[in-house]
Amino acid sequence: KAGVTQTPRYLIKTRGQQVTLSCSPISGHRSVSWYQQTPGQGLQFLFEYFSETQRNKGNFPGRFSGRQFSNSRSEMNVSTLELGDSALYLCASSHGPEAFFGQGTRLTVV
Amino acid sequence: KQEVTQIPAALSVPEGENLVLNCSFTDSAIYNLQWFRQDPGKGLTSLLLIQSSQREQTSGRLNASLDKSSGRSTLYIAASQPGDSATYLCAVLDGQNFVFGPGTRLSVLP
Repeated sequence: KAGVTQTPRYLIKTRGQQVTLSCSPISGHRSVSWYQQTPGQGLQFLFEYFSETQRNKGNFPGRFSGRQFSNSRSEMNVSTLELGDSALYLCASSHGPEAFFGQGTRLTVV
Repeated sequence: KQEVTQIPAALSVPEGENLVLNCSFTDSAIYNLQWFRQDPGKGLTSLLLIQSSQREQTSGRLNASLDKSSGRSTLYIAASQPGDSATYLCAVLDGQNFVFGPGTRLSVLP
């Protein structure tokens, strides 16, 4: 059974640009969550989607957005990138109490 | 607001020792608690899930306990091996999203 797949694995962007990250959950999982991990702040919750609906959102500015498609795949978008957006972005999928994470996308903003 | 702490922040031990990693959370109204392992630059690997009605879970050399009333969980690692070297994170499911602790960085020396 394939795990959670995140693409791309690495990304370098310039300040002011926008970026889209993709997450394919485990087959059959309808809940997808996104987290940002930085050395200073640790792992912080961005948002959670279930059946194409955003159910919960963390305390991030409106530049961070996401969506979920009918096949449960999810994308997150960050507009007007700032240096501080450099981080490991992790996606998790679940179909019950246990969450499974992908390998993450390492975003570097220069 | 839920807050999760982990003690110690870092631990270095010789191979073969038994270890205890601690996790504390401030709000006992959690759905479950999950322990993860993270290797440098990688995603999270689920180790153990303890649902709110459970007291402990075991998998191989790992045992995790949960005391909701006191807001504590411990992860016990028996007969540690160099391959156990990683950062160990505990996370509580608080509503629809996880709240993570800062992690314990474990180094097992051969």
